[in-house]
Amino acid sequence: GAGVSQSPSNKVTEKGKDVELRCDPISGHTALYWYRQRLGQGLEFLIYFQGNSAPDKSGLPSDRFSAERTGESVSTLTIQRTQQEDSAVYLCASSLLIRTGGSYEQYFGPGTRLTVT
Amino acid sequence: GQSLEQPSEVTAVEGAIVQINCTYQTSGFYGLSWYQQHDGGAPTFLSYNALDGLEETGRFSSFLSRSDSYGYLLLQELQMKDSASYFCAVPHGGNTPLVFGKGTRLSVIA
Repeated sequence: GAGVSQSPSNKVTEKGKDVELRCDPISGHTALYWYRQRLGQGLEFLIYFQGNSAPDKSGLPSDRFSAERTGESVSTLTIQRTQQEDSAVYLCASSLLIRTGGSYEQYFGPGTRLTVT
Repeated sequence: GQSLEQPSEVTAVEGAIVQINCTYQTSGFYGLSWYQQHDGGAPTFLSYNALDGLEETGRFSSFLSRSDSYGYLLLQELQMKDSASYFCAVPHGGNTPLVFGKGTRLSVIA
């Protein structure tokens, strides 16, 4: 079956421009996550969607970052007025229903490499 | 909050055994996960320990000691393809998503 897909795979943008990154999770996965990974670093949580619950936005680094999810499908991460420090790989993951204390396997997409010039 | 410590780099010989350690500090603990990431690739799930002890999956095993806030990933019969970064991770707050360590880069040499 299809895995998590992300588009575009690479994005080069000028400082100050807005960008939209897209994630298509695995069908049936109710949880969706966005992470950021800077070169040679670990993954940094950004935002989390679970079913119809309000998203957990506690990881968003600034109000320039926002994300939406349509039902239990596609999600878009928007970065407004991009800065050079936004350059990173943005990874999306999805998983089955999460229960408190549980840690179901997260399936990651290939990521979008964002370069802000 | 949550924080995890793991070695930044490990080098091991093909066919050997290597252990990658992870210590964590959490406000509430639910389990420790391990992920593998090859250069330029997406992280892939390896294992999850919620209880103390050793979990074995083929050449890979993962251990957890909750009293010591410590776990490790054990890779046996190392192969060149095992060269990758390995991340330990714990749930963020009282629920997932995950907080990741900075990763251990494993280099397998002939």
